[in-house]
Amino acid sequence: SQQGEEDPQALSIQEGENATMNCSYKTSINNLQWYRQNSGRGLVHLILIRSNEREKHSGRLRVTLDTSKKSSSLLITASRAADTASYFCATAPRTQGGSEKLVFGKGTKLTVNP
Amino acid sequence: DADVTQTPRNRITKTGKRIMLECSQTKGHDRMYWYRQDPGLGLRLIYYSFDVKDINKGEISDGYSVSRQAQAKFSLSLESAIPNQTALYFCATGTGALETQYFGPGTRLLVL
Repeated sequence: SQQGEEDPQALSIQEGENATMNCSYKTSINNLQWYRQNSGRGLVHLILIRSNEREKHSGRLRVTLDTSKKSSSLLITASRAADTASYFCATAPRTQGGSEKLVFGKGTKLTVNP
Repeated sequence: DADVTQTPRNRITKTGKRIMLECSQTKGHDRMYWYRQDPGLGLRLIYYSFDVKDINKGEISDGYSVSRQAQAKFSLSLESAIPNQTALYFCATGTGALETQYFGPGTRLLVL
């Protein structure tokens, strides 16, 4: 079963605009990660936010985490055509004995038009 | 050179055939993972390994088997391929699920 669900499934914006993607999950987590996938290629790690963190930045990326709402958002500022990709959230569920697996959502497909 | 490599990159096979997908890594990580990606379903975990002697089933292990030949090598086998195993397969490595995972470029498999 999916732990993380991204919203929206698809997003189309103009270059220079900001893009916001959301991820909701069901169970308590140790951390939440965001990955990017260019068409047909492997996933690339973008950012990891731990359960005791509320916000994290990396370049043009800003990730927030609200554990009370079991949700996270990924903001890409000043988007570029090269940001066109699918973005996945992945959670490390907190389980008895420790979690050793990441559970991926279905992804948001972002298109940035030049 | 890529840190995580997969061979082959593309494979077409017929129903009932046995095939093996191979993964090698130079990152020195103990943990290795095999995922399957289908359109609209995201990534699903097939098998994972914490070290050479430790193999664990993931969410969708039926119809698949794995072998961890060395710390750097983790192979996925389809003993008797069927059409619904047509998918994009990814290998990944990591130091633990609490940390970043590093993905290979993927193997696109078509079972006719």
